[in-house]
Parts: sequence; C-alpha cells; structure tokens
Amino acid sequence: KAGVTQTPRYLIKTRGQQVTLSCSPISGHRSVSWYQQTPGQGLQFLFEYFSETQRNKGNFPGRFSGRQFSNSRSEMNVSTLELGDSALYLCASSFEGGGYTFGSGTRLTVV
Amino acid sequence: GNSVTQMEGPVTLSEEAFLTINCTYTATGYPSLFWYVQYPGEGLQLLLKATKADDKGSNKGFEATYRKETTSFHLEKGSVQVSDSAVYFCASINSGGSNYKLTFGKGTLLTVNP
Repeated sequence: KAGVTQTPRYLIKTRGQQVTLSCSPISGHRSVSWYQQTPGQGLQFLFEYFSETQRNKGNFPGRFSGRQFSNSRSEMNVSTLELGDSALYLCASSFEGGGYTFGSGTRLTVV
Repeated sequence: GNSVTQMEGPVTLSEEAFLTINCTYTATGYPSLFWYVQYPGEGLQLLLKATKADDKGSNKGFEATYRKETTSFHLEKGSVQVSDSAVYFCASINSGGSNYKLTFGKGTLLTVNP
C-alpha cells in the first residue's frame, strides 16, 4: 500500500512569489492535514480537509490556503512568500477516527 | 486548547543505555496520545499510541503508558541502539479527533553513541 506522497520534495522560491504544494493521501483515506515545521516554532497545524471540506484551520495568515479534490488529493498554496515561510511542510492522511500517516514533506526555501 | 510539554534535549546516551523522554499534556477531556519519530531529512513516523487511560503503547522496544492521574505519556526503552538516533515528538488529539488537529511537543533530539 503506497504511503502519503508529497511533491515536490524541495523547492526554492523568491520573496513575493507564490507556491503550490501537493499531497496524495493513502488510498481510502479521506482526511488530509497540513503542518508547518520550523526550528523556532516546531510543528504547527495549518488546516485539515475531509471530503473536500475544510474542518479546521490553524492560526496562519490568509496567504496560506488549501483545498482538497474529489479524489482526496490536496494542495496548499502560499501567496506573497516571505522569508519566514521557509519551512518543512508536512502532509498527513487519516482514515476517519484512525491514526495519522505523514509524508516525507516538502522543504520550501524562500530567498 | 490542548498543549504538550516534553523534555528539552538534546539527550545523548551510549548504546544499550536506558531511555526516558518525559511528556505531559493538558487537554479538555481525555485525548489520544502519540509518539512520533523523525529521522534526518524525513517526515514523521508513528512510533506508538494510546487512546485511553492506562493503555500502554509499544513498538520496536519502545513503550509509553497513558497516565491520567499525572497527565503523562513518558517514552521509555530499555536498551537503545545507534539506529534510534532521531527526534522524538509527543502529540495529542482530542478524543474522537473532534478538532482534527494534532498538537505536538517541541521534540527531543536523541543521539546514541556506539
């Protein structure tokens, strides 16, 4: 059974640009969550989607957005990138009520 | 909201030493509790979990017991190996996952020397 797949693995962007990250969950998992990991702030929750609906959102500015498609794949978008957005972005999928399986992450560097 | 506090690292041990990483939580109700491990350059891997008081999660020689009276979920291993070197995260989620959000501790870096 394939795990959670995140693409791309690495990304370098310039301040002011926007970026889209992709996450394909484990087959059959309808919940997808996103987390930002930085050395200073640790792991912080961004948002969670289930059946194309956002059920919870963390305390991030509106520049951070996401969506989920009918096949459960999810994307997150960050607009007007800032240096402080440099982080490892992790996606996790879950079967409703079960545990969370994480992908390997996308390492975003903003220069 | 929920919060998780775990001992700050780094922790450095010799191979075959005993490991304890402390974790305490605050939550409304009785959350489910997890330990995740992160190897360099990788995402998080679920190590073990417990969903109710007195449950013991175990995997690969690691154990943790859900202690409601002390709101703790300490990670232990009797004999660590070099391959256990990684960052360990304690996490909680509301009972039933009703807010669909894991809350993590800040992580503890473990280095095991041969």
